[in-house]
Amino acid sequence: GQQVMQIPQYQHVQEGEDFTTYCNSSTTLSNIQWYKQRPGGHPVFLIQLVKSGEVKKQKRLTFQFGEAKKNSSLHITATQTTDVGTYFCAGLHNSGYALNFGKGTSLLVTP
Amino acid sequence: EPEVTQTPSHQVTQMGQEVILRCVPISNHLYFYWYRQILGQKVEFLVSFYNNEISEKSEIFDDQFSVERPDGSNFTLKIRSTKLEDSAMYFCASSLAGYQPQHFGDGTRLSIL
Repeated sequence: GQQVMQIPQYQHVQEGEDFTTYCNSSTTLSNIQWYKQRPGGHPVFLIQLVKSGEVKKQKRLTFQFGEAKKNSSLHITATQTTDVGTYFCAGLHNSGYALNFGKGTSLLVTP
Repeated sequence: EPEVTQTPSHQVTQMGQEVILRCVPISNHLYFYWYRQILGQKVEFLVSFYNNEISEKSEIFDDQFSVERPDGSNFTLKIRSTKLEDSAMYFCASSLAGYQPQHFGDGTRLSIL
């Protein structure tokens, strides 16, 4: 079946260090969405990538969509304690509108 | 900013009982979804709904599950005879169109005893 893999599962960084999470799909995606979930909270939409090779930035966050539209990454520059949470990628396949979530990367930032 | 609202925030039910989870999607959105997240695990798709009918459903969404849009604002998920393994956080989401970003509600934590 269609699977979205995400690594690493956990990442613990010192405040100020960079962080990257990677997402890989077994099949080509129509688009990919990134969400952040705080402990006890709900997934909050961050960004959507649609085009092959697309790069989008939101302040310290940089999102990339691979040329083959099968992989994506989220990079955070100079992490802050407010970045703590679990970051999920979620892919939409050409066959429908169901988001296929990765397992998420839980980020812990210590001051 | 408009948001998806879900009630109740927490539902405790005896195994075998019926439960209805309620959602009010964002008012101008046309596509509605239910997802669930078992504690510590990833978010899993259950069902999508458009134009008053199910457009897609997962293997999890078996005959015990049903969805309904009883009026112009509510979107409900019913589980007919709950099982212990139905315990999870259930999220409702909506989107303007099928390929547009999906916006999630705060969720309903369902605990089956």
